[in-house]
Amino acid sequence: DTGVSQNPRHKITKRGQNVTFRCDPISEHNRLYWYRQTLGQGPEFLTYFQNEAQLEKSRLLSDRFSAERPKGSFSTLEIQRTEQGDSAMYLCASSPPRTGALKTQYFGPGTRLLVL
Amino acid sequence: LAKTTQPISMDSYEGQEVNITCSHNNIATNDYITWYQQFPSQGPRFIIQGYKTKVTNEVASLFIPADRKSSTLSLPRVSLSDTAVYYCLVGPPGGGADGLTFGKGTHLIIQP
Repeated sequence: DTGVSQNPRHKITKRGQNVTFRCDPISEHNRLYWYRQTLGQGPEFLTYFQNEAQLEKSRLLSDRFSAERPKGSFSTLEIQRTEQGDSAMYLCASSPPRTGALKTQYFGPGTRLLVL
Repeated sequence: LAKTTQPISMDSYEGQEVNITCSHNNIATNDYITWYQQFPSQGPRFIIQGYKTKVTNEVASLFIPADRKSSTLSLPRVSLSDTAVYYCLVGPPGGGADGLTFGKGTHLIIQP
């Protein structure tokens, strides 16, 4: 399977704990995005990487959230001191360089986080 | 990014053609129109993208009038497995640095 993969698929944690999610984008996709989706809503943009550089962060990304993409391949999203309001589906997407006929984002299956 | 308006929900039956219309009155010259499909507990899946006139692929057609202020996603001969949420997005084709802007989408329910 050469699609975007995310791990873990599900995570249950207690309030105050730290969690880390991983995203492996499609090979050679230099652009990587993180989104958060709550029940009944569409995905909301969190942050964007072009290669290893984090070029954009939404104001939704509080200082408890940090994302990295150290070698321009996989990415991690860490949430420190989790709160119940952090419970959501966290989606990762990747897209190719801005060449070619079709320019779109390919999403992974998501990591569903439940904070108790 | 241009705001989109689409119906909250739609119902149809197997074998019917379903048309979902999206309004985007403030679409910019460089914006593309992209539709995504999302099943429960899965990430959105790209369906189709267009800039103007008509685009067709193996799963859907996208109709865009000359003024580009609206678009219609057409799903031919739907089946139960087409029950999903469909999102209409307007903006840079790959999302750009600000990512994709999703609304609440249209919840399409297909009945037998």
